[in-house]
Amino acid sequence: NAGVMQNPRHLVRRRGQEARLRCSPMKGHSHVYWYRQLPEEGLKFMVYLQKENIIDESGMPKERFSAEFPKEGPSILRIQQVVRGDSAAYFCASSPQIAREPTEKLFFGSGTQLSVL
Amino acid sequence: AQRVTQPEKLLSVFKGAPVELKCNYSYSGSPELFWYVQYSRQRLQLLLRHISRESIKGFTADLNKGETSFHLKKPFAQEEDSAMYYCALSGDAGGTSYGKLTFGQGTILTVHP
Repeated sequence: NAGVMQNPRHLVRRRGQEARLRCSPMKGHSHVYWYRQLPEEGLKFMVYLQKENIIDESGMPKERFSAEFPKEGPSILRIQQVVRGDSAAYFCASSPQIAREPTEKLFFGSGTQLSVL
Repeated sequence: AQRVTQPEKLLSVFKGAPVELKCNYSYSGSPELFWYVQYSRQRLQLLLRHISRESIKGFTADLNKGETSFHLKKPFAQEEDSAMYYCALSGDAGGTSYGKLTFGQGTILTVHP
């Protein structure tokens, strides 16, 4: 099991372009979480998705950001019209199910470093 | 609102010395507290949880509800403990806890030989 896979590892975009970040959960995991880490800060929750459903998007900026987790394929975090302030490390985590203590089975990917020029 | 504070960005100790990484939290309900660790060039991984009350790699952490703290301690630090440590909190979201965590800013621990 290769673990949670994120790609690309590094992504460079110019202001106004779109950024697409991909996350393939661990085999057998159907729950995906996206976190953002701005420089000098801790990870901040963005969104929680199950297959074809957004469960909690309370941490997502209201504009330009969207996330999906289709029935087939990886979860995608999409940032439209990127600005310099979007430069950050974006982490994905996955878990197998909602269990009594799912955080014990929460696994993180290596992250995507987004740089906006 | 939930908040986790790690007051020290950097912490340096010598091998064999005791180490304590501080973590304070604010949360109105009954939180679950965790310590995550990220070794150099590796992924973020769970170190320990307050619920399990276990010792992992010699580290322990006790939840002090009176002081709203969850400090991570090890009596004798080793060089391989050098890493970034994050304290995290999971609130009781409608009775179902899942992977929505509030992280502190992290503390970089360096253990010198």
